[in-house]
Amino acid sequence: ETGVTQTPRHLVMGMTNKKSLKCEQHLGHNAMYWYKQSAKKPLELMFVYNFKEQTENNSVPSRFSPECPNSSHLFLHLHTLQPEDSALYLCASSQARPGHTEAFFGQGTRLTVV
Amino acid sequence: SQQGEEDPQALSIQEGENATMNCSYKTSINNLQWYRQNSGRGLVHLILIRSNEREKHSGRLRVTLDTSKKSSSLLITASRAADTASYFCALGGGAGSYQLTFGKGTKLSVIP
Repeated sequence: ETGVTQTPRHLVMGMTNKKSLKCEQHLGHNAMYWYKQSAKKPLELMFVYNFKEQTENNSVPSRFSPECPNSSHLFLHLHTLQPEDSALYLCASSQARPGHTEAFFGQGTRLTVV
Repeated sequence: SQQGEEDPQALSIQEGENATMNCSYKTSINNLQWYRQNSGRGLVHLILIRSNEREKHSGRLRVTLDTSKKSSSLLITASRAADTASYFCALGGGAGSYQLTFGKGTKLSVIP
């Protein structure tokens, strides 16, 4: 248990569905992240939030929409996804002070788009 | 953004042997971190080494960093079957940057 909880653990959705992934951290961290992990590719950083403000958006398609209502919660809203979006989506948090970017990860949501 | 490259991509050893994994990168870093991932699960932070450090230990783990060669190594001594996992190096950005960029990882198999 890392203190970062992701739900659901598994999700199967059709290309026309709308769903949301949820992440919650109990570590008092001020930064939260969404990563995408596809087979045989490096972990891809999607979004970064620091003190609820989005600071990074690494050219992610608009069918992925993040939301950070407070420093403890992070959502990833999904709509009209493609089969190639099937992947493990990982949430992470960190204290995000300079030189201390140690990240704590949730267990991930395994997403399958059919 | 830059990422580290782990080498080898896969490594298979007998229980009790040592395992060495390497990470190379191309630009300046603030710190370098190693993470472990069991199949289909989240990543677990193992160790962080700052750019002004050369070596760090944690239990059976030993990490070295050579900033002149832009490379790091992770040594796991006296490996166990439970060490079977993928290992990733991650590059920590400088002040004001919260990004961690990961390589593709080394898949370690420890055979009992």
